[in-house]
Amino acid sequence: SQTIHQWPATLVQPVGSPLSLECTVEGTSNPNLYWYRQAAGRGLQLLFYSVGIGQISSEVPQNLSASRPQDRQFILSSKKLLLSDSGFYLCAWKRTRRDAFFGQGTRLTVV
Amino acid sequence: GNSVTQMEGPVTLSEEAFLTINCTYTATGYPSLFWYVQYPGEGLQLLLKATKADDKGSNKGFEATYRKETTSFHLEKGSVQVSDSAVYFCAGGNTDKLIFGTGTRLQVFP
Repeated sequence: SQTIHQWPATLVQPVGSPLSLECTVEGTSNPNLYWYRQAAGRGLQLLFYSVGIGQISSEVPQNLSASRPQDRQFILSSKKLLLSDSGFYLCAWKRTRRDAFFGQGTRLTVV
Repeated sequence: GNSVTQMEGPVTLSEEAFLTINCTYTATGYPSLFWYVQYPGEGLQLLLKATKADDKGSNKGFEATYRKETTSFHLEKGSVQVSDSAVYFCAGGNTDKLIFGTGTRLQVFP
């Protein structure tokens, strides 16, 4: 069966510090991978998605970036965090026209 | 572009009341439609889905019917329970992207 791992579960980082969140998928090959952000009191915003190794589509301009160095690994990064980057970050995988499966999320607080 | 619009919450109900959470979509073609549920402090779980017009998705007493004529996918449950308290997200996707609505918080009181 397929599983998705996302870590860390919680993170407190100072403004201006770098960020690296990792997501890995097991039990499937060539999945579509996604990063979403859920800000407090707001909905789920698609940040990045990837349909293959090295292929990244950005949905929202910001100081975040994403990379897919391996087929089942998706990384969300920032060189310098802003206060507005605080939120609940969710990684997901899916196949075209199929439903998505989510990780347990990372709660990021920028202080 | 594609978008999903759902009613704002919170929705507050007494146990055993009838629930409706509205969702409409705008998309080219005919997207697959989904309802996800998020319990406090957790990620999202798929609740139900429908992949073509007139399909009805159902799970745990929840139902939603894919209405092409009204571009809607409203979530319903005949008798809610306290344990249904959560945030519910409507979503749609027809290619590689899955677009979510803003979420509706449901609070059920005994």
